[in-house]
Amino acid sequence: NAGVTQTPKFRILKIGQSMTLQCTQDMNHNYMYWYRQDPGMGLKLIYYSVGAGITDKGEVPNGYNVSRSTTEDFPLRLELAAPSQTSVYFCASSYEATSGNTIYFGEGSWLTVV
Amino acid sequence: GQNIDQPTEMTATEGAIVQINCTYQTSGFNGLFWYQQHAGEAPTFLSYNVLDGLEEKGRFSSFLSRSKGYSYLLLKELQMKDSASYLCAVTDSNYQLIWGAGTKLIIKP
Repeated sequence: NAGVTQTPKFRILKIGQSMTLQCTQDMNHNYMYWYRQDPGMGLKLIYYSVGAGITDKGEVPNGYNVSRSTTEDFPLRLELAAPSQTSVYFCASSYEATSGNTIYFGEGSWLTVV
Repeated sequence: GQNIDQPTEMTATEGAIVQINCTYQTSGFNGLFWYQQHAGEAPTFLSYNVLDGLEEKGRFSSFLSRSKGYSYLLLKELQMKDSASYLCAVTDSNYQLIWGAGTKLIIKP
């Protein structure tokens, strides 16, 4: 079972460049999330979606954009990369809201902005 | 504000028992999760508590006291592969997950 798949795993960006982190899940989950994890810090929610066509800001949305055209896909767009966006990014999904529903994570994307 | 506190790092010996504590102050409570995260990998689900008491799952147990805003994860018969970070996360009244910074557990032979 593939679960949550995100690409690329590693990427180096120059300041001001743009890129998209891809995420897809094959579990027919309604909820999808993008988190970033900085060293020694907890996971911070960037954006989330409760279903196709619906997206909402999380705790740290500035500098990012998302779309949810299908149930399976939830790409994260960085428009003008900044060094502060150097982090590990995790895409995740759950069947419903997180009360009692396990979140499944992708393997992570290590992004460095130089 | 919302806050989850866990020790930054703990060390234990192979074969022993270790308890990782988590205290939380959140706007509402709709459950508490424990996740395990090995270095360079994604978090994986360990346990979920929504009612007070102890949930046991093999070598791992998780306890919750909602009145005290407190949980712990108990790991028995420690193995070297248990070396990882353990993340505590609470679902608040808006069903948003609030994550602790994680506790890095180091197992020594």
